[in-house]
Amino acid sequence: EPEVTQTPSHQVTQMGQEVILRCVPISNHLYFYWYRQILGQKVEFLVSFYNNEISEKSEIFDDQFSVERPDGSNFTLKIRSTKLEDSAMYFCASPEGALSNEQFFGPGTRLTVL
Amino acid sequence: DQQVKQNSPSLSVQEGRISILNCDYTNSMFDYFLWYKKYPAEGPTFLISISSIKDKNEDGRFTVFLNKSAKHLSLHIVPSQPGDSAVYFCAASGRTDKLIFGTGTRLQVFP
Repeated sequence: EPEVTQTPSHQVTQMGQEVILRCVPISNHLYFYWYRQILGQKVEFLVSFYNNEISEKSEIFDDQFSVERPDGSNFTLKIRSTKLEDSAMYFCASPEGALSNEQFFGPGTRLTVL
Repeated sequence: DQQVKQNSPSLSVQEGRISILNCDYTNSMFDYFLWYKKYPAEGPTFLISISSIKDKNEDGRFTVFLNKSAKHLSLHIVPSQPGDSAVYFCAASGRTDKLIFGTGTRLQVFP
């Protein structure tokens, strides 16, 4: 299976602090996605990113969130001022091919906001 | 707004038997459906998918059936193995490529 990597695996932060979650998607991909899963709940779509621009975002993805592709390989999700309810697993995903509907997920970053 | 529903939170099956996981959807614009397997503290692992132009797709022990008129899909695992024990999510996509997930079914396969 194609590999998507994420760092860190676990991030603990104080409420109000900024966090940056990183993803290295399948190489040479233009499409990237972020999802999150609050403990015990379903996986929820946050944002999709195509060719260095946001293509779609959910209601969850408010002004506190931003995504960037700072270089050719990394893809970041930034939360500017974390809230307790941001505690969740955050997953990056990318499709195997340009025309593929199957998204492959990274192992996730567990974010704990205290 | 639960567009994708998995009404059985858990399922217990004996090793060697068939596991059937069900999923219902409400949005008729969905045209692609996927099943993912997930272990705790790991990312979802893609298992199998089906396009809305088909009614069945098979890959080894895994078969997905799609009934568009009933807006229902199911995942069959035959034979079930203890290593199949995990949470299974169905997901759907439509006009846009974002995935809408169900709430998951925890499958336990016992010896």
